[in-house]
Formats: sequence, C-alpha cells, structure tokens
Amino acid sequence: GAVVSQHPSWVICKSGTSVKIECRSLDFQATTMFWYRQFPKQSLMLMATSNEGSKATYEQGVEKDKFLINHASLTLSTLTVTSAHPEDSSFYICSARPDRGRGYEQYFGPGTRLTVT
Amino acid sequence: GENVEQHPSTLSVQEGDSAVIKCTYSDSASNYFPWYKQELGKRPQLIIDIRSNVGEKKDQRIAVTLNKTAKHFSLHITETQPEDSAVYFCAAGFMNYGGSQGNLIFGKGTKLSVKP
Repeated sequence: GAVVSQHPSWVICKSGTSVKIECRSLDFQATTMFWYRQFPKQSLMLMATSNEGSKATYEQGVEKDKFLINHASLTLSTLTVTSAHPEDSSFYICSARPDRGRGYEQYFGPGTRLTVT
Repeated sequence: GENVEQHPSTLSVQEGDSAVIKCTYSDSASNYFPWYKQELGKRPQLIIDIRSNVGEKKDQRIAVTLNKTAKHFSLHITETQPEDSAVYFCAAGFMNYGGSQGNLIFGKGTKLSVKP
C-alpha cells in the first residue's frame, strides 16, 4: 500500500509554454500532498503544501503565480509550471500523506524530469 | 522556520562496518524526524522515523536516536552491505495528529558508499 504515481515521468517543453504534472495517490486518500524540487545531487526543496479543497501554501521564494497547484480531489494534486524558462528545468517530486491512520508518514512519487529548451 | 543541517555530506565505509549520519534542527516545535533513502534515479523511500516522544527506535540493522534538548538526531546503520549505498536524507517537521499540517524540511543529504 501507500503508492504514489506521477505523470509524466519526463517532459521536454519549449520556453514560454506551460507544463502540467499530476500526482496521484493510488491506494489511499490524501488531504495533504507536497511538491518538492530536486536539483542534481542536491536535496529536496519543499515548494508548497497542497491541501484538498483549499489554496496551497507556498514556501518563501516560490512564485505562486508561476507554479500553480490544484488539489481537486483526495487522490490528485497537479502542479502547472507556467511560462516555463530553462531555469525551471529540474526534477519535481510530489509526496502524499495518507489520511488513514492519521500517521505522519509521507510517501513519494517517482518524480518528473522537466527540461525546458 | 525550520532549518536542518546534515553531516557528513559523503561517507565511505567498508562492508560490515557501521555508518552514522547526524542531523541537527532548529525549530523546537518539530516533532517528527524521518529518514529517507534515495537510490540513483529513484524516489526517496522512508526507511525509519522517530517522533519526539521517543528517544530511540530500531528496525533490524537501522536505528535512529533523538536528543530533543540538543536538537539533534542520528541514523545508525550496522553491518553495512553494498546495497546500503545510496543518498540518505534526514528531515524534520511539525505534525499535528489527524490534521493537515505536516511539511518536512530536508537536510542536504549524505552519499553513503559501502565498499565490498
């Protein structure tokens, strides 16, 4: 149990376009999901906390108008990178915190490699 | 906000030896401290975690200790094996039981290499 998927696993887009990344909890419900960004050989940087039915909470320095988050259901959160630029190229990983058991664990998706040309 | 420092950044041990990775945190309100293992090209996997009401937790060859007063926690891997080679991340955060809070701040990671 506690499987999280992401789609797509990798995407290449042109500068100025928008890209949507989906994060799904496959076998559990998650009111809360998280979006991280990871640069090569670096740590996970929390971008925002996504709560179903409410606005996302963004970390300091993360542009909410550029990284749009929508958590429309208890199993799906989406991250849209708008007007992408080459500096947005990175590995984006989501995680989900299961509602059941009211535990503290977070489970990660496999990540999405974004390359902006 | 929370700040997590992790040391060392790289660690090389001989197979069978023990490995210790240390983390410190800044926010005394943090009450949850997980450790994740990330192999190259793969997602981080939770390997062990500890809550602030516990000082030590063990799962087979892996153990975690927490010193709330000093605000530091450590991961101990005994009898290391080549398959333990990976990047290990510590994290800290405040979790409210049954609620929606719970963001984690991660350390910078430790690349562990276990030589056969």
